[in-house]
Amino acid sequence: GENVEQHPSTLSVQEGDSAVIKCTYSDSASNYFPWYKQELGKRPQLIIDIRSNVGEKKDQRIAVTLNKTAKHFSLHITETQPEDSAVYFCAASNTIRNFNKFYFGSGTKLNVKP
Amino acid sequence: DAEITQSPRHKITETGRQVTLACHQTWNHNNMFWYRQDLGHGLRLIHYSYGVQDTNKGEVSDGYSVSRSNTEDLPLTLESAASSQTSVYFCASSESRGPTDTQYFGPGTRLTVL
Repeated sequence: GENVEQHPSTLSVQEGDSAVIKCTYSDSASNYFPWYKQELGKRPQLIIDIRSNVGEKKDQRIAVTLNKTAKHFSLHITETQPEDSAVYFCAASNTIRNFNKFYFGSGTKLNVKP
Repeated sequence: DAEITQSPRHKITETGRQVTLACHQTWNHNNMFWYRQDLGHGLRLIHYSYGVQDTNKGEVSDGYSVSRSNTEDLPLTLESAASSQTSVYFCASSESRGPTDTQYFGPGTRLTVL
């Protein structure tokens, strides 16, 4: 099955700096890559996703890049704010073979220092 | 508004007891999932269902069972609770509409097995 690895496990940045979280996956057939944000005591919520036919996607201060050849994808947060502090999870899915089944990374705890 | 709910939100039980966690969604989603979340492990899939009367085992299914008698509900049963099953449990659902079947999560149930 698919194996998703996520790094780093913790990340501390100064407010206003950028943060980058990286994930690698093992199944070259994976074609959908969502990112979830989970605030303390809350449910995971989708913040951005990317399909395998796209190399980059942006939504205001967040962006995701995908390198299919290297089988890795990254979350980029620019101009970080204290409210960005949370745990971020990446996931990979082969929506054809493993219909709707997500494989999650182990999470990155982001701390944005004011 | 359509939503996904879980009950109870907190549960304390004793080793050996049977416990059932409820998950209810009003989006009419075909796909439903149960995950457990433990520190350092991210979200691990327990069971999932692609429709009524369909259930499938995930990567950590031992000691758990589910049933799907209607579209809205996927209850998770711990047949004989063990201390190793102390965790936070999340239910999720998604549509069956194509290659970006985003999963939406419930608020979670914190289960403690003494």
